[in-house]
Amino acid sequence: DSGVTQTPKHLITATGQRVTLRCSPRSGDLSVYWYQQSLDQGLQFLIQYYNGEERAKGNILERFSAQQFPDLHSELNLSSLELGDSALYFCASSPGQGADNEQFFGPGTRLTVL
Amino acid sequence: GESVGLHLPTLSVQEGDNSIINCAYSNSASDYFIWYKQESGKGPQFIIDIRSNMDKRQGQRVTVLLNKTVKHLSLQIAATQPGDSAVYFCALKINNAGNMLTFGGGTRLMVKP
Repeated sequence: DSGVTQTPKHLITATGQRVTLRCSPRSGDLSVYWYQQSLDQGLQFLIQYYNGEERAKGNILERFSAQQFPDLHSELNLSSLELGDSALYFCASSPGQGADNEQFFGPGTRLTVL
Repeated sequence: GESVGLHLPTLSVQEGDNSIINCAYSNSASDYFIWYKQESGKGPQFIIDIRSNMDKRQGQRVTVLLNKTVKHLSLQIAATQPGDSAVYFCALKINNAGNMLTFGGGTRLMVKP
């Protein structure tokens, strides 16, 4: 158990809908990262937050957004869902934001868009 | 853009044998190289990392080798056990790009009893 929790574990929804994925980082970790794992694209970095502020952006679609709240939990919002958004979404956390910080991954949320 | 790739998508080994998983990368401006293990239904789990100023690092039953000349990274697992069966990913962090990870495509390791 990494100490990172994600809810829900599974999510099934329809095209065009909007969903929110939630992540609670390890106790004391200030940095949160979101990754998408799909069959065709592999594991891809989406976005990073540190202590409530956006720090880095990867291949995140404009339909997707995220935020980190004062209690340090984070939410990833996916809107106007398409079939291709079906994937595993992982959250990771680290104590700081420097490259010497190990990232600890949560168990993921499996999103299925029908 | 950055690419990190793997030579073998699936590796099957006998229990007790040593395993070697390889990874090639293209961006020489990488300071950290990391190996992750992902078991079915779980998130990636950190195994070992190596900085660009090193060419070898050892952990418990695992060794990572880095050859910057040919941009190649390998993970060696000694005395492979059934519990080592998983997908293994190499990942790197690009200099001055913070702590974001760029992952390779993954290699599935299957350990035969």
